[in-house]
Amino acid sequence: GQQVMQIPQYQHVQEGEDFTTYCNSSTTLSNIQWYKQRPGGHPVFLIQLVKSGEVKKQKRLTFQFGEAKKNSSLHITATQTTDVGTYFCAGNLTPYGNKLVFGAGTILRVKS
Amino acid sequence: DADVTQTPRNRITKTGKRIMLECSQTKGHDRMYWYRQDPGLGLRLIYYSFDVKDINKGEISDGYSVSRQAQAKFSLSLESAIPNQTALYFCATSDFYRGTETQYFGPGTRLLVL
Repeated sequence: GQQVMQIPQYQHVQEGEDFTTYCNSSTTLSNIQWYKQRPGGHPVFLIQLVKSGEVKKQKRLTFQFGEAKKNSSLHITATQTTDVGTYFCAGNLTPYGNKLVFGAGTILRVKS
Repeated sequence: DADVTQTPRNRITKTGKRIMLECSQTKGHDRMYWYRQDPGLGLRLIYYSFDVKDINKGEISDGYSVSRQAQAKFSLSLESAIPNQTALYFCATSDFYRGTETQYFGPGTRLLVL
């Protein structure tokens, strides 16, 4: 079964509102990555978090990795129409030798 | 990512036909992957290869086969296509280093099985 769960599946927000997607794993992750897929495009790597409790920012995007390294979140402040797309989290489930496991993704739509 | 290419980009085929989707990369990565994407189901792993002599089944390998012809090439075959294999297919590559990897995706192949 799916080892990396992501919620919500879908979110529709008004431009200017904030948006958050959450990622949870049944096992400890050695790292968490976030990807963005624009409509009609392919997934593109955004960022990687490795340390427990780590927080990174990219302009209006804030990424967090939980203290137990089993959950993560992506928060977008004041969404814009350019933020539309599907956001995937992905993690390596063991420190070495295992493949990257993707969450099912959160589809974000922004009303202008 | 232009370093990962997929051919064809679009394909329409009929039930029962054998088709091959090809993936090439110039990134020099050892790891290559084939995913399938359906609306609402995210990315599902079909097959993956950690080097030229390594082939592994993913979560939905039934009805598919793969060939790793070289480090740079990884092809996916549908031996006898069926309509529920209609989907968007992505190839990806990665370089695994110190317990982490970043995947680089090709542009995708949109397949329609009639």
